[in-house]
Amino acid sequence: SAVISQKPSRDICQRGTSLTIQCQVDSQVTMMFWYRQQPGQSLTLIATANQGSEATYESGFVIDKFPISRPNLTFSTLTVSNMSPEDSSIYLCSVEDRGGTAGELFFGEGSRLTVL
Amino acid sequence: QQQVKQSPQSLIVQKGGISIINCAYENTAFDYFPWYQQFPGKGPALLIAIRPDVSEKKEGRFTISFNKSAKQFSLHIMDSQPGDSATYFCAASIRGNTPLVFGKGTRLSVIA
Repeated sequence: SAVISQKPSRDICQRGTSLTIQCQVDSQVTMMFWYRQQPGQSLTLIATANQGSEATYESGFVIDKFPISRPNLTFSTLTVSNMSPEDSSIYLCSVEDRGGTAGELFFGEGSRLTVL
Repeated sequence: QQQVKQSPQSLIVQKGGISIINCAYENTAFDYFPWYQQFPGKGPALLIAIRPDVSEKKEGRFTISFNKSAKQFSLHIMDSQPGDSATYFCAASIRGNTPLVFGKGTRLSVIA
């Protein structure tokens, strides 16, 4: 199974600032996903990040607000730009383990952002 | 439009009892149905998953029942323990084609 490390694990940010979340995987993966989990809520996919191509964003999420980088097969970053209190959430990086028997999706521990 | 509907929102079960969480989906093309377990402060972890070619899958105390015609699947936790207290999410996808769509989650509390 893939081991995913996210930084920071949590942060408190001021309104109007931007924060970049890093995701490091211990193996090469083709597809990486960024999810948002608002307090007490389910997981909502922000975008899919494939190495060497532009990220694909889900409805309601735009690149200007959530720019993503995917410089190689083990690393990705998600930036939350011009933050507002509504952006307070847990942001989760995940990867699909195609080497597994079921194409399992593995998640990092998440980055808990609080925007004041 | 919510593609995966999960119920109940919360559940309290006595230790040793059976916990049952239900999900219904709309897209008949979905072919992968996992359940994730999430403890506070942690990321979701895959618990068990099923493909639509079988009606039931059991792993230890955890069983998925799948009803293709009704477009429903459920998680049964036998002999529920306080350590099972967590939030459970069902999900669905078309493997290799679409990302996972998650239900809204069920907060399970197992009390002694």
